[in-house]
Amino acid sequence: DGGITQSPKYLFRKEGQNVTLSCEQNLNHDAMYWYRQDPGQGLRLIYYSQIVNDFQKGDIAEGYSVSREKKESFPLTVTSAQKNPTAFYLCASAWDGRNEKLFFGSGTQLSVL
Amino acid sequence: DAKTTQPTSMDCAEGRAANLPCNHSTISGNEYVYWYRQIHSQGPQYIIHGLKNNETNEMASLIITEDRKSSTLILPHATLRDTAVYYCIVRVASGGGADGLTFGKGTHLIIQP
Repeated sequence: DGGITQSPKYLFRKEGQNVTLSCEQNLNHDAMYWYRQDPGQGLRLIYYSQIVNDFQKGDIAEGYSVSREKKESFPLTVTSAQKNPTAFYLCASAWDGRNEKLFFGSGTQLSVL
Repeated sequence: DAKTTQPTSMDCAEGRAANLPCNHSTISGNEYVYWYRQIHSQGPQYIIHGLKNNETNEMASLIITEDRKSSTLILPHATLRDTAVYYCIVRVASGGGADGLTFGKGTHLIIQP
């Protein structure tokens, strides 16, 4: 089945620790996105990538880093600089940066121990 | 991108039509109206989009007023599985450099048995 896969579904971070959230898609999409969602709130854009080896900061990039070494993969690292990392993280992809029909993964819930 | 206004929550009886309104009075001529929905603890799902003509697909119908300042998403026969948060988004769909979509708080639609 084609789709977008996020793992793990639940993740716990200790103070001062970096953690990496995985996002993989087999839809052959060029564009990929990371969003953060806090309880009862909308989605806020963290980073996006329209092509391999290129990515741009979204509205709340501080404390996060990404890479796009392969078309299929867009991992997100939550660094120790992110002081309030507890949230629901969503990855999405689209055919290209002009296409607003996004396909979302099922999300990763990150909590701080 | 134009700002949208949606009611915080709505109820609808199972089997009835659910009509979700969205105001976008500052919409520009080249901006599309998109609708997504998010079932609890899952990623958002694309429903439908349109520019100025009414649109229908297997999930829903989109009615856009002639002046394009508001729209209504119609779920013709709501079921309990339609309980979700529904997001109305206005966005230019063409041109390079698209940086994803901006998701506000949406409307929490509750289908009552």
